[in-house]
Amino acid sequence: GESVGLHLPTLSVQEGDNSIINCAYSNSASDYFIWYKQESGKGPQFIIDIRSNMDKRQGQRVTVLLNKTVKHLSLQIAATQPGDSAVYFCAENIKKDFNKFYFGSGTKLNVKP
Amino acid sequence: DSGVTQTPKHLITATGQRVTLRCSPRSGDLSVYWYQQSLDQGLQFLIQYYNGEERAKGNILERFSAQQFPDLHSELNLSSLELGDSALYFCASSRSSATNYGYTFGSGTRLTVV
Repeated sequence: GESVGLHLPTLSVQEGDNSIINCAYSNSASDYFIWYKQESGKGPQFIIDIRSNMDKRQGQRVTVLLNKTVKHLSLQIAATQPGDSAVYFCAENIKKDFNKFYFGSGTKLNVKP
Repeated sequence: DSGVTQTPKHLITATGQRVTLRCSPRSGDLSVYWYQQSLDQGLQFLIQYYNGEERAKGNILERFSAQQFPDLHSELNLSSLELGDSALYFCASSRSSATNYGYTFGSGTRLTVV
């Protein structure tokens, strides 16, 4: 498959454990955020989003937390599975630049069986 | 399958050459976005088209150009290629011109310039 992010920070977790992936975003005017998952050889895939008027949003096995004070976003994955192994990106969208997302550099999640 | 189709999947070409990358958006999507993903730069927004018209421009070099055709497919043209243009090029699509709900990415074209 494709090699993406050879120099990315890596988080290694044991199967069944919870994972927390962090992201510091850059612009205090950002008001919409998405977490994407990118598996080898594939394009980024939407996981969960959150708007700036929320602090927390839950999906299936995933939770996103937003701390606007420190411009920090986190993705929590419960009961991590081998299929969760991928590179995870946070992306921010600023209302005035509504057409484009600014992506973070990504974190590689490695799930050990 | 995300519904966004990109061709070719892989492309190897020499410096100075010109290539065309193609993208077919998801059925019903009017907006097409192009992103470049390189190892040291992450995902960088290049350009967006909506219903045939350019809507937003990012860090796209003058050697690069794009267009969206009446059938809504889009092409990204890269000319006078340099080694540093080697990257994954992703196309994404969305229903509207704004990214209120994110967009759907294709699987990308891996361009290698030698």
